[in-house]
Amino acid sequence: QVQLVQSGAEVKKPGASVKVSCKASGYTFTSYGISWVRQAPGQGLEWMGWISAYNGNTNYAQKLQGRVTMTTDTSTSTAYMELRSLRSDDTAVYYCARVLAQYYYYYMDVWGKGTTVTVSS
Amino acid sequence: DIQMTQSPSTLSASVGDRVTITCRASQSISSWLAWYQQKPGKAPKLLIYKASSLESGVPSRFSGSGSGTEFTLTISSLQPDDFATYYCQQYNSYFTWTFGQGTKVEIK
Repeated sequence: QVQLVQSGAEVKKPGASVKVSCKASGYTFTSYGISWVRQAPGQGLEWMGWISAYNGNTNYAQKLQGRVTMTTDTSTSTAYMELRSLRSDDTAVYYCARVLAQYYYYYMDVWGKGTTVTVSS
Repeated sequence: DIQMTQSPSTLSASVGDRVTITCRASQSISSWLAWYQQKPGKAPKLLIYKASSLESGVPSRFSGSGSGTEFTLTISSLQPDDFATYYCQQYNSYFTWTFGQGTKVEIK
């Protein structure tokens, strides 16, 4: 079955970087994109960005431009999200999700279980 | 940027009730809307995509409708497992998405 397995929880100090992984299985990794979504404690869902696992093209949310980088390793079917210059308001659960296409419409059908990132001095 | 506004923010209902959640887009998004269910401590789960298509395995009591700027998610007969938070999500061109702020469905 289609699965996205994310890396474990992280605790970081302000100003540090974090890199979260998302290992895919059960489907052809390069046939789909991966989106990253985060959720601060008690808050709603915030889309962070998207990467094509086929060619590495990316699109990032404007508020994170310059601080976030998304990459993939097709040899291991793994997607990565790196966030730099961490602040306390980056404390959140970070989710990866597979992006499915229907003609020109794209949506997220399978999600990882989430990775908790805590930013604290 | 396209903004998504859900209403209500919280909804109190009883088992067996018919429940409707509304999502409005700040401009037309055709039918490029999905609905997700999220329970505490869990990842979101896809319920509806392309405004009205039911995801495989999702109970038929869930349905979606609408196009353009106004959309609804309806649960025809609320079940105990349905108490959760629901999010709408729009897809904009070139791989950009926006979520609504969420609607929490609580036990009355």
